[in-house]
Amino acid sequence: DIQMTQSPSSLSASIGDRVTITCRASQSISRYLHWYQQKAGKVPKLLIYATSTLQTGVPSRFSGSGSGTEFTLTIDSLQPEDFATYYCQQGYSTPPTFGQGTKVEIK
Amino acid sequence: QLQLQESGPGLVKPSETLSLTCTVSGGSIGTSDYYWAWIRQPPGKGLEWIGSSYHSGTTYYKSSLKSRVTISVDTSKNQFSLKLNSVTAADTAMYFCTRHPPYDFWTGSYTVEGSYYFDYWGRGILVTVSS
Repeated sequence: DIQMTQSPSSLSASIGDRVTITCRASQSISRYLHWYQQKAGKVPKLLIYATSTLQTGVPSRFSGSGSGTEFTLTIDSLQPEDFATYYCQQGYSTPPTFGQGTKVEIK
Repeated sequence: QLQLQESGPGLVKPSETLSLTCTVSGGSIGTSDYYWAWIRQPPGKGLEWIGSSYHSGTTYYKSSLKSRVTISVDTSKNQFSLKLNSVTAADTAMYFCTRHPPYDFWTGSYTVEGSYYFDYWGRGILVTVSS
């Protein structure tokens, strides 16, 4: 199975900050990398698929980049509704696997 | 608007079978071109894919669960189901039903490899394994 490792596991940030989360795959996954946002007690929500395509309705302050084994999720100008846990997921091969999550908390 | 809703018992005894159903509304399982999948999340932990099933009967399972799991699609009821037998406390989790397309996003070819991204999710159902 392909292992997905996110860093950091958690971070504290202020409203308006730029936040970057990194996701590394244990082998190349081309650009088959997706990002989800999960608020406490809620359902995961697809944010970005295929590395950089925003899901319908996702604000443009979210962006994704990368290829191969290293990917990033960037949130420009963090908003109150962005405090959540973010998961990366590789869709390259079976089984699809998720990172352990990055919790974004209020500083 | 597509909606998915999980249902089933919230408490299952060890060694018994966990059975969940996902009812799909706002779209037809039989005619829509998607795999229907289950993902679980133990309390306070991350997400784990369990398996995916196409309305044709093609299924894929996580290898570590393969001997215990069955996912099937019932197009007449617009539902799909999960059965996980011989459960233990390690199977305690929130179970989500979801879907993904059947084709590689970048190439467009009909292969499950490259197809896994989950756009619609049910609200989830907490299943506790305890005597």
